Amino acid sequence: GAVVSQHPSWVICKSGTSVKIECRSLDFQATTMFWYRQFPKQSLMLMATSNEGSKATYEQGVEKDKFLINHASLTLSTLTVTSAHPEDSSFYICSASDRVGYTFGSGTRLTVV
Amino acid sequence: RKEVEQDPGPFNVPEGATVAFNCTYSNSASQSFFWYRQDCRKEPKLLMSVYSSGNEDGRFTAQLNRASQYISLLIRDSKLSDSATYLCVVNMGAGSYQLTFGKGTKLSVIP
Repeated sequence: GAVVSQHPSWVICKSGTSVKIECRSLDFQATTMFWYRQFPKQSLMLMATSNEGSKATYEQGVEKDKFLINHASLTLSTLTVTSAHPEDSSFYICSASDRVGYTFGSGTRLTVV
Repeated sequence: RKEVEQDPGPFNVPEGATVAFNCTYSNSASQSFFWYRQDCRKEPKLLMSVYSSGNEDGRFTAQLNRASQYISLLIRDSKLSDSATYLCVVNMGAGSYQLTFGKGTKLSVIP
């Protein structure tokens, strides 16, 4: 089946630094990828929709200058959390639509200290 | 009103029990419906799509009632390995690939 590879699985960073999360579709081309964030005991919340070759579409309340999304190829989308703060600590998950449905990456657990 | 609502649980049931989860959605134009399973600290994984005619996959049965905007998932003969959070997920359709997730219902199957 379709596989979406997400790296890193977890990261701990200092407040004020930037963290890049990569999401790759391994055996299919993903024109559109989605980035979600999930806080403890909460549902997945869509942050942005990433379209290959164009600017991402951000959900209301998500700062586009803080969460930089790049989707330069049909198999790779990246999310960079800039100037991270402790409140950005969360579980970030990417997803892509394939022929069957939606495939999720394994998620990145970000802890900002 | 939240777009996708679920009973958060937790549901604690003994092995072998039958358990049912319910979900309601607010957008009547929604076109695709899914149940996902999420284990602790893991990504969601597709359990099954939900069709208007209802569908079954082994011990799992999903049903959709468009008139009531209601989706259900029935698990028969619960196994310990069924312990997880079950997410009701809706796609609004109309050319959109975006999914809207419910908060999930936590299930614990007890020996």
